[in-house]
Amino acid sequence: GNSVTQMEGPVTLSEEAFLTINCTYTATGYPSLFWYVQYPGEGLQLLLKATKADDKGSNKGFEATYRKETTSFHLEKGSVQVSDSAVYFCALSPRNSGNTPLVFGKGTRLSVIA
Amino acid sequence: NAGVTQTPKFRVLKTGQSMTLLCAQDMNHEYMYWYRQDPGMGLRLIHYSVGEGTTAKGEVPDGYNVSRLKKQNFLLGLESAAPSQTSVYFCASSFLAGASTDTQYFGPGTRLTVL
Repeated sequence: GNSVTQMEGPVTLSEEAFLTINCTYTATGYPSLFWYVQYPGEGLQLLLKATKADDKGSNKGFEATYRKETTSFHLEKGSVQVSDSAVYFCALSPRNSGNTPLVFGKGTRLSVIA
Repeated sequence: NAGVTQTPKFRVLKTGQSMTLLCAQDMNHEYMYWYRQDPGMGLRLIHYSVGEGTTAKGEVPDGYNVSRLKKQNFLLGLESAAPSQTSVYFCASSFLAGASTDTQYFGPGTRLTVL
């Protein structure tokens, strides 16, 4: 079946630190991969995505590279800010899935302190 | 565009009471979803719809019913609320779930407490 595994949080970093949130997946075929972010008190919003192997998604200083050989899609940011404090969800969409919705990981809470 | 809106934002119920959560989207999306979010559990899909007049079960459908009478609205009903249904409920929509690059757009959530 399809599944997503994320590193467990919470993750606490000082401002300007380097961030990595690990995400690995299990899927039939080659899915599309996503990172969603949930800021406090809000719904989820798309942060970035990649649709094929070796693609790099990027947005707001965040990056993630689709690694087929390691079935991973780790989220990185070189210098985090307090405003990046949120919950981050990795997700996949099975290719040729018909009507199958997204599969989400359990989320990783990030807290950035000044 | 308002995007995805949810009504109400907060609600407190007593065990056994019923209620309906309303989700509305103005993006002409075909697909709509209801999730619940619980601490340590991430997002779990309750029901979804692939178009007007259709519904399908997700991962945790028991105790919930849904209806999609109009394309822009997706209703989630609790017929007899239980404390285990205390959660934050999110609605989402997307243009085509079958397109592997598709983006889901989420509403702001409804926080439900069942006493």
